[in-house]
Amino acid sequence: DAGVTQSPTHLIKTRGQQVTLRCSPISGHKSVSWYQQVLGQGPQFIFQYYEKEERGRGNFPDRFSARQFPNYSSELNVNALLLGDSALYLCASRWGGGSQDPQHFGDGTRLSIL
Amino acid sequence: GESVGLHLPTLSVQEGDNSIINCAYSNSASDYFIWYKQESGKGPQFIIDIRSNMDKRQGQRVTVLLNKTVKHLSLQIAATQPGDSAVYFCAESYTNAGKSTFGDGTTLTVKP
Repeated sequence: DAGVTQSPTHLIKTRGQQVTLRCSPISGHKSVSWYQQVLGQGPQFIFQYYEKEERGRGNFPDRFSARQFPNYSSELNVNALLLGDSALYLCASRWGGGSQDPQHFGDGTRLSIL
Repeated sequence: GESVGLHLPTLSVQEGDNSIINCAYSNSASDYFIWYKQESGKGPQFIIDIRSNMDKRQGQRVTVLLNKTVKHLSLQIAATQPGDSAVYFCAESYTNAGKSTFGDGTTLTVKP
């Protein structure tokens, strides 16, 4: 079975631009979460979506937005990019909307802002 | 009194030895805990989980211990192998929260 897939794997943008990252969850998983991982740190929660509705949001500015599609795939959008947005963006999927089953992560999108 | 394992940002062990990685969590309401392994250039990989109604859970070569009194979690790896070299993260969450909060990682290096 395919795991969580993310695209693109790498991306280079300049300050002020906008970016869209994509994620396909494991087949049968209905929940998708997004995390930002800065080099040397643990992942930081950005969003969770379950059944196409936002279920949680981390401490990130409104420049960050996301959505989930009927097939449970998801997109993360970041507007007005800043140098500090350079990070690995991870998508994780799980079967349910709660927290009692493990999340499974993709290998992320490495975003570099110049 | 009890001693709480110290979180170390790096840990170096000899191949074949046992490894113990410690983690302190912050939220007393957390009721679900996971250990992840992250290799260079990859996303975190699920290793083992434990719910708050348990204090020990074993998997293949790994054991997780949970001490809710002092909010401490540990991961024990038996007979550590070079392929175990990676960064290890603990994560906590609570019912219906959806999100997981990750701790500081520990970089495990296994010397042949």
